[in-house]
Amino acid sequence: AQSVTQLDSQVPVFEEAPVELRCNYSSSVSVYLFWYVQYPNQGLQLLLKYLSGSTLVKGINGFEAEFNKSQTSFHLRKPSVHISDTAEYFCAVTGSSNTGKLIFGQGTTLQVKP
Amino acid sequence: DTEVTQTPKHLVMGMTNKKSLKCEQHMGHRAMYWYKQKAKKPPELMFVYSYEKLSINESVPSRFSPECPNSSLLNLHLHALQPEDSALYLCASSQVPGGRNQPQHFGDGTRLSIL
Repeated sequence: AQSVTQLDSQVPVFEEAPVELRCNYSSSVSVYLFWYVQYPNQGLQLLLKYLSGSTLVKGINGFEAEFNKSQTSFHLRKPSVHISDTAEYFCAVTGSSNTGKLIFGQGTTLQVKP
Repeated sequence: DTEVTQTPKHLVMGMTNKKSLKCEQHMGHRAMYWYKQKAKKPPELMFVYSYEKLSINESVPSRFSPECPNSSLLNLHLHALQPEDSALYLCASSQVPGGRNQPQHFGDGTRLSIL
């Protein structure tokens, strides 16, 4: 069965500093991975996805993630954060059955301080 | 701007009321989803519609009744809800039902409060 672990529940960081949000997964089948961001009082917005090919995936708003099969990780990074990046971030993997179900991690709250 | 539109944005209802949540997408997606999200938690899947037919019901209480009138619309009918049903209800869609490599597109949700 698939599962996702986000290793940090909260990540405080100062503005313009780099940040990494960690995500580990387990899967018995081929992996499709996603990062979503949820700003306050909004729904989830797709940041980036790994389907196949290059292990370095670039997304919106300057975020990127690297798929590492040997370490079963898909960490999200940004070289310089802004106050506006303050949000909840969810890592997700699709389930093994062909139902389209998403398995979410518990989320990481990114708090960007001035 | 989100491509999945949910109405209303906020809803307050009593435990004896009947109300409906609405979701609309015009991306031609043939899979649609309802999720429930509590504060500081990930979304929990409730229902999945594939080609306008209910394909997954995650053991949701019968006081929640989904409906998919056509390929663009998804409703969630609510009746006799409990205070613990207060949450953010999210609608999502994806292009191909069952496609494991298909990202889901979410609406902004309806924040539901049960008095």
